[in-house]
Amino acid sequence: QVQLVQSGGEVKKPGASVKVSCKASGYPFTTNGVTWVRQAPGQGLEWLGWISGYNGDTHYAQNLQGRVTMTTDTSTSTAYMELRSLRSDDTAVYYCAKSRVVFPTRGEDYWGQGTLVTVSS
Amino acid sequence: QSGLTQPASVSASPGQSITIFCTGTSSDVGDYNYVSWYQQHPGKAPQLIIYDVSNRPSGVSNRFSGSKSGNTATLTISGLQAEDEADYYCSSCRNRNSVVFGGGTKLTVL
Repeated sequence: QVQLVQSGGEVKKPGASVKVSCKASGYPFTTNGVTWVRQAPGQGLEWLGWISGYNGDTHYAQNLQGRVTMTTDTSTSTAYMELRSLRSDDTAVYYCAKSRVVFPTRGEDYWGQGTLVTVSS
Repeated sequence: QSGLTQPASVSASPGQSITIFCTGTSSDVGDYNYVSWYQQHPGKAPQLIIYDVSNRPSGVSNRFSGSKSGNTATLTISGLQAEDEADYYCSSCRNRNSVVFGGGTKLTVL
């Protein structure tokens, strides 16, 4: 069955970086993409970006351009999301999700369990 | 640019039907038939219930249906059940390769 398993929670200081991993299994990794979404405490969902499992193409949310990098390792079917220059308002649960098709805008049908990233001095 | 607009909350009794509206602009909902809906229970990851405006993934109850008119997408849940109590989010393609979410709607089953 399709599974996405994310790395564990992180506590970071303002200005630091965090890298969250998402290991996929149960489907051919290169036939879909991986979307990253975050949810601040008590708030709604925010789209962070998408990466193709096929060729590594990326599309990022405009407000994160320059601070976020998404990568994949196709040999291990793992996607990564790195966020730099962390601020307190980056505190959120970060989700990875499998895109239904190899395009970024057509819905995500399987989700990871979420990774809590806490930014605090 | 701001996100899509959803009502903060809706409520209804078991067996009734509810409709959640998701209003965007001509740059997102109005321009693409790529609207998705997600259900999220407390402390859980979102679950896709509608994609491409009106399609249900395998395993999703046919009590969930979606549609779109102009800049507004609609999620309808018929025959409400207690387990439908959750937060619901719409999303849409915007500017071809990015996605925008609605603020979420809390559904209470009375």
